[in-house]
Amino acid sequence: KAGVTQTPRYLIKTRGQQVTLSCSPISGHRSVSWYQQTPGQGLQFLFEYFSETQRNKGNFPGRFSGRQFSNSRSEMNVSTLELGDSALYLCASSLMGSGSAETQYFGPGTRLLVL
Amino acid sequence: GQQLNQSPQSMFIQEGEDVSMNCTSSSIFNTWLWYKQDPGEGPVLLIALYKAGELTSNGRLTAQFGTTRKDSFLNISASIPSDVGIYFCAGHGSGNTGKLIFGQGTTLQVKP
Repeated sequence: KAGVTQTPRYLIKTRGQQVTLSCSPISGHRSVSWYQQTPGQGLQFLFEYFSETQRNKGNFPGRFSGRQFSNSRSEMNVSTLELGDSALYLCASSLMGSGSAETQYFGPGTRLLVL
Repeated sequence: GQQLNQSPQSMFIQEGEDVSMNCTSSSIFNTWLWYKQDPGEGPVLLIALYKAGELTSNGRLTAQFGTTRKDSFLNISASIPSDVGIYFCAGHGSGNTGKLIFGQGTTLQVKP
């Protein structure tokens, strides 16, 4: 079974631009969570989607948004990029997102650099 | 909010030695997960724990879900050079769907 895939793997943007990252979960997984990883803050939860609905949200500004499609693939968008948005963005999928089915499997991440 | 304290922050050991790291939480978790991350890659799941007191092994790795549900430890026996990396604990609390809380990570270096 293929793992979680994320595209693109690397991205360079300038301040003020916007970016869209894509995540394809493991086949059969319906929950997709997004995390931001930085050296200073570690791994921070952004949001989680299940059946095309956002079920949970972390403490990030509204510039960070996401969506999930009917095939469980998910995208996240960051608008008006700031230098501090430079990070590794990780997507994780799980079967249902709760109980024993909440075990999350991570993709390789998208490395975003904002100049 | 929920926080995880992971220790030690880093370890430098000799090949063949055993390693132990642990995480403590300010609140109860229903699930404890241990991941390993290599540079530039996403975290890879090592062990998942679902019940208080549960002790689970995966090869040379052993992890336990503390009986108070507020802590967990990971042991690595007979370390080898490929064990080098950053190890993270993560917990999932009730009513917080899809959200893992992560520890700060333990950086492990193994000297051949």
